[in-house]
Amino acid sequence: AQSVTQLGSHVSVSEGALVLLRCNYSSSVPPYLFWYVQYPNQGLQLLLKYTSAATLVKGINGFEAEFKKSETSFHLTKPSAHMSDAAEYFCAVRLAENNQGGKLIFGQGTELSVKP
Amino acid sequence: NAGVTQTPKFQVLKTGQSMTLQCAQDMNHEYMSWYRQDPGMGLRLIHYSVGAGITDQGEVPNGYNVSRSTTEDFPLRLLSAAPSQTSVYFCASSYSSRPTTEQYFGPGTRLTVT
Repeated sequence: AQSVTQLGSHVSVSEGALVLLRCNYSSSVPPYLFWYVQYPNQGLQLLLKYTSAATLVKGINGFEAEFKKSETSFHLTKPSAHMSDAAEYFCAVRLAENNQGGKLIFGQGTELSVKP
Repeated sequence: NAGVTQTPKFQVLKTGQSMTLQCAQDMNHEYMSWYRQDPGMGLRLIHYSVGAGITDQGEVPNGYNVSRSTTEDFPLRLLSAAPSQTSVYFCASSYSSRPTTEQYFGPGTRLTVT
């Protein structure tokens, strides 16, 4: 069964520091991976997605993620944190359409705090 | 485009009451789904639909019903509310169920069952 694990339910960084949010997946088939961001009291917004093209994926707001098959990882990074990056981040894998209709399986989420 | 809209934003129910959470999208998306979000558990799929007239269960369907009579609308019905259904509910849609397509999420409905 496919699953997603996010290491660290809470990450705190200083403004200007590197942001690293970890995501590992288990999948017996090529995965389709997504990172979503959720700001307080809002819905989820797509940051970026991996769909088996380039392994380094660039997203919105300066975020990027690298797909590493050997490590079954899809970690999210941003070189310099900004106060506005404070939010909850979810890693997700989407199943094939013939497997439960292509549902998204989410990790538990990582809350990012940014200190001034 | 308004994207995915959900009503109401907040709702308080008493145990045993029923209600319908509304979801609509104006992007002509085939695929629509309902998730619930609980602390420390991410989002879990309740029901989904791959097109008008077609629905199926997700991983936590008990206590919920759905229907899809039009492409635009995908209401979620709570038959007899229980405190365990206190959660934040998100509706999402995508162009298709192909795994490369992005799902767009609504703003959510925060439900409290007392």
